[in-house]
Amino acid sequence: KQEVTQIPAALSVPEGENLVLNCSFTDSAIYNLQWFRQDPGKGLTSLLLIQSSQREQTSGRLNASLDKSSGRSTLYIAASQPGDSATYLCAWTNAGGTSYGKLTFGQGTILTVHP
Amino acid sequence: DGGITQSPKYLFRKEGQNVTLSCEQNLNHDAMYWYRQDPGQGLRLIYYSQIVNDFQKGDIAEGYSVSREKKESFPLTVTSAQKNPTAFYLCASSIRSYVSGNTIYFGEGSWLTVV
Repeated sequence: KQEVTQIPAALSVPEGENLVLNCSFTDSAIYNLQWFRQDPGKGLTSLLLIQSSQREQTSGRLNASLDKSSGRSTLYIAASQPGDSATYLCAWTNAGGTSYGKLTFGQGTILTVHP
Repeated sequence: DGGITQSPKYLFRKEGQNVTLSCEQNLNHDAMYWYRQDPGQGLRLIYYSQIVNDFQKGDIAEGYSVSREKKESFPLTVTSAQKNPTAFYLCASSIRSYVSGNTIYFGEGSWLTVV
């Protein structure tokens, strides 16, 4: 069974710092790896999606990479701002077998960026 | 505006009661999903549907039931058999079961509390 682990569980940084969030998975038969943002009491917003044939995706100050051989994905946030404070979740899906179309989530990293 | 609408936002259930959470989407998506989120945890899949009149159990389907009579609607019933229903419930949808790089969209969630 696929396991998805996110480290650290919580992170507090001063405004302006560059930071890295980590996501590791046990099954390399990955199809999509996606990063989401969740504000307290809200739904999830998709940030970046990396398909298995891709190595990274970028959107503004965000960059996500995928290394299937090591079973890791990282989300890099440049020049962090207080508005980046939220929970960040990674999720994986496998297109084949019984996992078809289903997302497996990590437990999330709670990010706090203080002024 | 296109999106996913969940209702109600807050719901209280008495012991032994069945309650139904509504999820409606106007994105013309084929696939719909229900996830459960417990405090400090990632999301776990309850049920998913790839097409009208068809649905599949997710990882934690016991004590829940769904229907998919219309493409735009995927209601979730939390039955009295679900012994620990207090959680945050998220509905989501995607084109064709989240493959080929299609992203997934989430509603704003519903809080269910047992009283």
